[in-house]
Amino acid sequence: GQSLEQPSEVTAVEGAIVQINCTYQTSGFYGLSWYQQHDGGAPTFLSYNALDGLEETGRFSSFLSRSDSYGYLLLQELQMKDSASYFCVRGGSTLGRLYFGRGTQLTVWP
Amino acid sequence: GAVVSQHPSWVICKSGTSVKIECRSLDFQATTMFWYRQFPKQSLMLMATSNEGSKATYEQGVEKDKFLINHASLTLSTLTVTSAHPEDSSFYICSARDDRPYEQYFGPGTRLTVT
Repeated sequence: GQSLEQPSEVTAVEGAIVQINCTYQTSGFYGLSWYQQHDGGAPTFLSYNALDGLEETGRFSSFLSRSDSYGYLLLQELQMKDSASYFCVRGGSTLGRLYFGRGTQLTVWP
Repeated sequence: GAVVSQHPSWVICKSGTSVKIECRSLDFQATTMFWYRQFPKQSLMLMATSNEGSKATYEQGVEKDKFLINHASLTLSTLTVTSAHPEDSSFYICSARDDRPYEQYFGPGTRLTVT
């Protein structure tokens, strides 16, 4: 199947660090991506891991361990504008199909 | 960056009518586009993969006769919800990819309300 598990909600204060974990089923795995979606808006791409290890893009980093079927998104120096839903997304084929997790609602407090 | 547009951004229709939603890639050619639906506070569910010049590939459980997809050119895909019912009310989002299979560019979505 395509199921992914991630926490439904996370809260933190400005300036803090937050890690959003994701576990996935391994069948037909083509990499793990992370997308951000603000309320009523379109999802936007944050990062992608095809291989094990850490990918860093500014304040955001993503990690993948294929042997553990596990990944995470790390958000540093949190800002109010980071309040959004974050989706763990797995690739399902070379054709580019993406399968979204349920999403984690991040709320950043001042 | 790559831009994808959708039209209309919202639509209200009566039960039994059909609604067409357009998805356009504005500054790149997209051989493959994707259609998703999203219920409030829920995840995006992939409905179908739209391939330019060929039939769409539907995900399991999605009725192809109800959700008609046409990918007429490298920059335009349309989704027609036929004989709409209130349970079809949802947020429909399209996306397009260029050369990288793991990154998709999403349109702003179309909110459909069927009364």
